[in-house]
Amino acid sequence: SQELEQSPQSLIVQEGKNLTINCTSSKTLYGLYWYKQKYGEGLIFLMMLQKGGEEKSHEKITAKLDEKKQQSSLHITASQPSHAGIYLCGADIRTASKLTFGTGTRLQVTL
Amino acid sequence: NAGVTQTPKFRILKIGQSMTLQCTQDMNHNYMYWYRQDPGMGLKLIYYSVGAGITDKGEVPNGYNVSRSTTEDFPLRLELAAPSQTSVYFCASRRPGNYGYTFGSGTRLTVV
Repeated sequence: SQELEQSPQSLIVQEGKNLTINCTSSKTLYGLYWYKQKYGEGLIFLMMLQKGGEEKSHEKITAKLDEKKQQSSLHITASQPSHAGIYLCGADIRTASKLTFGTGTRLQVTL
Repeated sequence: NAGVTQTPKFRILKIGQSMTLQCTQDMNHNYMYWYRQDPGMGLKLIYYSVGAGITDKGEVPNGYNVSRSTTEDFPLRLELAAPSQTSVYFCASRRPGNYGYTFGSGTRLTVV
């Protein structure tokens, strides 16, 4: 079974709409990372969260780590075509030296 | 700074051939990692290293070998390529502590 579950697996939204992607772990997270991947390309670092309750924002993207440090959400406000891609959450689960990834969420933004 | 550099970007191998995927970083990071990403899937850890001379297995190490003779380089070796090794391979590095991982741009490998 997957240690990190992401939902939804795919998402199609109309430009201008808001959306949320979730990342859930059955174990305590030492650190939670969000990456974006354009189709066929490498990973772009978005944000890192460590403390329960922590929230970070960059442009129109906000990520939160819940108090119990077992779930994170990524929220995009007023989506744009440039937001399209695959969003991956990664976490230090067992130790703080190995990153485990979720299966990813494929986002399409329609005009 | 170049960051994490992977070569080659693309490669087609025949079954049974061998090759080395190169990864080098110029950030003096202690930790380095190799991941593979299969179509429609997340990344799976193959091998990792916490410093020169130290390597350890990840989730999917079978069919691969690594070495870490210097801080900068972390090559991944495929000895007998199999179709199941068709994937995109990513190398990553980071400093010890609470720092983000830096990824290379990937190597797309096809085994036919």
